[in-house]
Amino acid sequence: SYELTQPPSVSVSPGQTARIPCSGDALPDQYAYWYQQKPGQAPVLLIYKDTERPSEIPERFSGSTSGTIVTLTISGVQAEDEADYHCQSADNSDTYNWVFGGGTKLTVL
Amino acid sequence: EVQLVESGGGLVKPGGSLRLSCAASGFDFSNYTMNWARQAPGKGLEWVSTLSRGSTYIYYAGSLEGRFTISRDNAKRTLYLRMDSLRAEDTAVYYCVRSAWNWNDAFDVWGPGTKVTVSS
Repeated sequence: SYELTQPPSVSVSPGQTARIPCSGDALPDQYAYWYQQKPGQAPVLLIYKDTERPSEIPERFSGSTSGTIVTLTISGVQAEDEADYHCQSADNSDTYNWVFGGGTKLTVL
Repeated sequence: EVQLVESGGGLVKPGGSLRLSCAASGFDFSNYTMNWARQAPGKGLEWVSTLSRGSTYIYYAGSLEGRFTISRDNAKRTLYLRMDSLRAEDTAVYYCVRSAWNWNDAFDVWGPGTKVTVSS
């Protein structure tokens, strides 16, 4: 079955830039999406179609893609950005199938 | 305000059944594809099922092995998930999620979730 791979954790100091990668063989052909989830809360859509950002999401959140890896970048990290981040995409099979990565815990030091 | 609110979760014995509901408000429910996703304790998100706006297209995660049934009542603005033959591994928070048709079906609105525990 298709998998998206994320590092379990990333740590960064306030004001620095955090980069969270997500790898998957089908990512060159399928859009990726990113969600933020704080403890005890539902996920929130951060990025859609690889690089697009909903209007209510701060500009410090951005998405990029390069081959089989998509990356969520958080510039000027703030304490409130400490959360779990999940990538999502689809595989290249004929079967309708959404897949999520395992999630990355961002710690703001 | 756009809102999704799940209900129907609880404690159920292995082999039992449960029906989850999701009440939608603040948007034209009948014009949106809807989904269920879940998150087991301490784990990542998992897509469960998708239902098109007119119930024409229905999709399930392969891991469910035919035990779950998604449905909707557009007149009542409600999405359902019938879960049968429940197993311990189905223990999770279940989220009702809207697909944004103009954003390539990104999951743009999530409910707060309802907790399902399968245990004897």
